[in-house]
Amino acid sequence: DSGVTQTPKHLITATGQRVTLRCSPRSGDLSVYWYQQSLDQGLQFLIQYYNGEERAKGNILERFSAQQFPDLHSELNLSSLELGDSALYFCASHRGSYNEQFFGPGTRLTVL
Amino acid sequence: AQSVTQPDIHITVSEGASLELRCNYSYGATPYLFWYVQSPGQGLQLLLKYFSGDTLVQGIKGFEAEFKRSQSSFNLRKPSVHWSDAAEYFCAVGNSGGSNYKLTFGKGTLLTVNP
Repeated sequence: DSGVTQTPKHLITATGQRVTLRCSPRSGDLSVYWYQQSLDQGLQFLIQYYNGEERAKGNILERFSAQQFPDLHSELNLSSLELGDSALYFCASHRGSYNEQFFGPGTRLTVL
Repeated sequence: AQSVTQPDIHITVSEGASLELRCNYSYGATPYLFWYVQSPGQGLQLLLKYFSGDTLVQGIKGFEAEFKRSQSSFNLRKPSVHWSDAAEYFCAVGNSGGSNYKLTFGKGTLLTVNP
């Protein structure tokens, strides 16, 4: 158990819909990273938040957004969903230099 | 831009045999390097990490990896593979500067273990 929680575990929805994925980092970790794992693209960094502020963006689509709340949990919002958005979405929490990222169990999104 | 190459998509070994999974990275400075393992339907578990110092690092489950700067490599090894090691293995490079420690992953190597 990494100490990072993600909900829901599975999500099945239709094209055009909007979903929200939730992540709670390990106690004391201020940084949250979101990654997408798909068959064609592999594991890709999407976005990072640190103590409520966006710090870095990766290959995140404009249809996707995220935020981190005062209690440090984070949400990833995916809108106007397409079939190609079907993937496993991971969040990871991190404490700073010389530390690894701890990954949550992931949310598997299926867009039909 | 940083990148990671794992040349082997799929490797099959017999139980008890030795294992080496290859990883080559591209990064402008001294990298942070990681190996993660993912079992089917599971999340990512850290096997080992390199930040600095001794270039041979020991991890969990009997794994080790060696950082070779001259070859830009960070290969994962295990002297004797167990059936439970069957999984997908990911090498990753992390930013070592600034405040964004994002990870860049290789495409992964799927390990099959024959009895």
